[in-house]
Amino acid sequence: AQTVTQSQPEMSVQEAETVTLSCTYDTSESNYYLFWYKQPPSRQMILVIRQEAYKQQNATENRFSVNFQKAAKSFSLKISDSQLGDTAMYFCAFMKPHNYGQNFVFGPGTRLSVLP
Amino acid sequence: DAGVTQSPTHLIKTRGQQVTLRCSPKSGHDTVSWYQQALGQGPQFIFQYYEEEERQRGNFPDRFSGHQFPNYSSELNVNALLLGDSALYLCASSFYLSGRNSYEQYFGPGTRLTVT
Repeated sequence: AQTVTQSQPEMSVQEAETVTLSCTYDTSESNYYLFWYKQPPSRQMILVIRQEAYKQQNATENRFSVNFQKAAKSFSLKISDSQLGDTAMYFCAFMKPHNYGQNFVFGPGTRLSVLP
Repeated sequence: DAGVTQSPTHLIKTRGQQVTLRCSPKSGHDTVSWYQQALGQGPQFIFQYYEEEERQRGNFPDRFSGHQFPNYSSELNVNALLLGDSALYLCASSFYLSGRNSYEQYFGPGTRLTVT
């Protein structure tokens, strides 16, 4: 079974600074996808960024980028120019596609606070 | 374009009772997944429905059951409620069309269930 670990329960960053959230995972699969989801206090889970395991190039999405190290099974999220609206729980997720759907496994989350 | 909707928003039940939660997927989506998110933890996969059948199931007892209707909406039923069932229940939708698997899930706002 796949497992996802986020070793930082809480982090804080000053507005406009850069912060990196860590995620490691354990799998024997070769075809999989990795995601970062954001869950603000309103509790709606929002997709931040996605990475396909077969792609070597790291995904970027505006101020969000990832550092995907497949051999090390590491998938960190970098948030540049942090904004107050980035305050939320961040979940790293592993997904293995299968017939008729997907199977998502989430990490325990990192609570990020952006300070003014 | 309506996103994923869930009802009710909050629910309070007594131990031993039964509860039904409802989910309508995002327009164009045909696959629905249910997750349980205990306070301060990441979502745990309960099961996934496609074409009105349960396709994948996580490590949850048979007290947790579901249903998907022809319009792709879904219900989660929990029988013989325990105090430990208190959690946020999230519904997520995606699409699967003739092998073109969707690799993203869109989440609803969740139903907060409190068992007393």
